[in-house]
Amino acid sequence: GENVEQHPSTLSVQEGDSAVIKCTYSDSASNYFPWYKQELGKRPQLIIDIRSNVGEKKDQRIAVTLNKTAKHFSLHITETQPEDSAVYFCAASNDYKLSFGAGTTVTVRA
Amino acid sequence: DTAVSQTPKYLVTQMGNDKSIKCEQNLGHDTMYWYKQDSKKFLKIMFSYNNKELIINETVPNRFSPKSPDKAHLNLHINSLELGDSAVYFCASSSSTASAGYTFGSGTRLTVV
Repeated sequence: GENVEQHPSTLSVQEGDSAVIKCTYSDSASNYFPWYKQELGKRPQLIIDIRSNVGEKKDQRIAVTLNKTAKHFSLHITETQPEDSAVYFCAASNDYKLSFGAGTTVTVRA
Repeated sequence: DTAVSQTPKYLVTQMGNDKSIKCEQNLGHDTMYWYKQDSKKFLKIMFSYNNKELIINETVPNRFSPKSPDKAHLNLHINSLELGDSAVYFCASSSSTASAGYTFGSGTRLTVV
């Protein structure tokens, strides 16, 4: 089955700096790679996603890159703000299910 | 108008009891899922149903039994609750395959004492 590894497990950044989270996946059949943000006590919410036929996607301060050959994808958050503090999950899908990484706890210091 | 709703939001119960969690989606999605989020925040799939048919049953104890009366509902019944069942259980739905993206419910925090 699919195995998704996510690094780092915790990330502390100064407000205004950038944050980068990296994930690798094992199943070459995976074709969809979403990122979810989960605030304390809340549900995971989709913030951006990328499909296997695209190398990069950007939405305001967040961007995702995908390297299919190396089987890794990354989330980039620029100009971080206190409201970016949360747990971020990467995931990979082979159509049947989403397999999640273990999560990255991001803390933005004011 | 909540897209994926779960009840109850909190559930505290004693070991050995039987309990159910209900999930309903009004998005017209064909596929529904149950995930367990443990204390370390890891999200692990338990079950998946497509149009009322079970398509994924991960290595979950037989004490957990999902039921989908129609494609808008997916309930989870747990027998003989154990301390290790304490977790947050999330229901999710997608329009067809998982590659269409999930919408999660608000979660049910189950505490077994």
